Amino acid sequence: GQQVMQIPQYQHVQEGEDFTTYCNSSTTLSNIQWYKQRPGGHPVFLIQLVKSGEVKKQKRLTFQFGEAKKNSSLHITATQTTDVGTYFCAGRGGKLIFGQGTELSVKP
Amino acid sequence: DTAVSQTPKYLVTQMGNDKSIKCEQNLGHDTMYWYKQDSKKFLKIMFSYNNKELIINETVPNRFSPKSPDKAHLNLHINSLELGDSAVYFCASSRSAGTSGPRPHNEQFFGPGTRLTVL
Repeated sequence: GQQVMQIPQYQHVQEGEDFTTYCNSSTTLSNIQWYKQRPGGHPVFLIQLVKSGEVKKQKRLTFQFGEAKKNSSLHITATQTTDVGTYFCAGRGGKLIFGQGTELSVKP
Repeated sequence: DTAVSQTPKYLVTQMGNDKSIKCEQNLGHDTMYWYKQDSKKFLKIMFSYNNKELIINETVPNRFSPKSPDKAHLNLHINSLELGDSAVYFCASSRSAGTSGPRPHNEQFFGPGTRLTVL
C-alpha cells in the first residue's frame, strides 16, 4: 500500500541555523500537504503543493515538490524558537497519508 | 469561535470500560475524520465520513465505532478499552472537492485532541 516516509525523526538545532525535513512516497502523489504541530497542540495546515517541481515560500519556510511528485522537502532558514514543533508531510495518492513527522527543537 | 471542537479533552478510564469522544465542526465542511496519534507522534487515520457516509475505514478493531448524526458531528465510541488504546485522538474536517472556497479543498482542520489514558 501507499507509504509516506519522513526523515529525520528528530532534529536539534541552534537558533539561527537552517533546518530541512524530507518526505518520500512509495507512489506518485496528486498533491502533498505540510502541517505543523506545536508541543501539546494539534496539527495546523501550512501549505499544499500540487504541480511537479513546484516551489512555494512562506517567509523563512521553503517548500518543494519533486519533479516525479514522489518527494517533497521543507526548509526553514535561520530557525527561531517559535519554529519548535513537529512538522508533518501528508501525501495524497488516493487518501491522505501522513509521514511520521520531524520533531524540531531549537536551542536559543 | 472554535472551528473543530472535541470533548472531552482528557479521558482517563479503566481497561474494559466503554467510552465516547464527541466532535463538532462549525466550518460547514462535509467531510470529517478521526485520527489516532500514538506516543511516537505517528498520525494514523482511522475513519472518514462524507455527508454522514463512511468512506474510509482503516484496519481498526471492531471495538471502535464512529457515528455521524449529521454533517457537523462525528463521534467515536470505543468498547472494551485496552491499554493499547491510550493515545491522543484527533478529529478533523475538510470540504469536498468541487466545493468553492479560498483554500485548498482538502486542507484538514484539526480539533484540539482528546488524550485517552487507559489504566
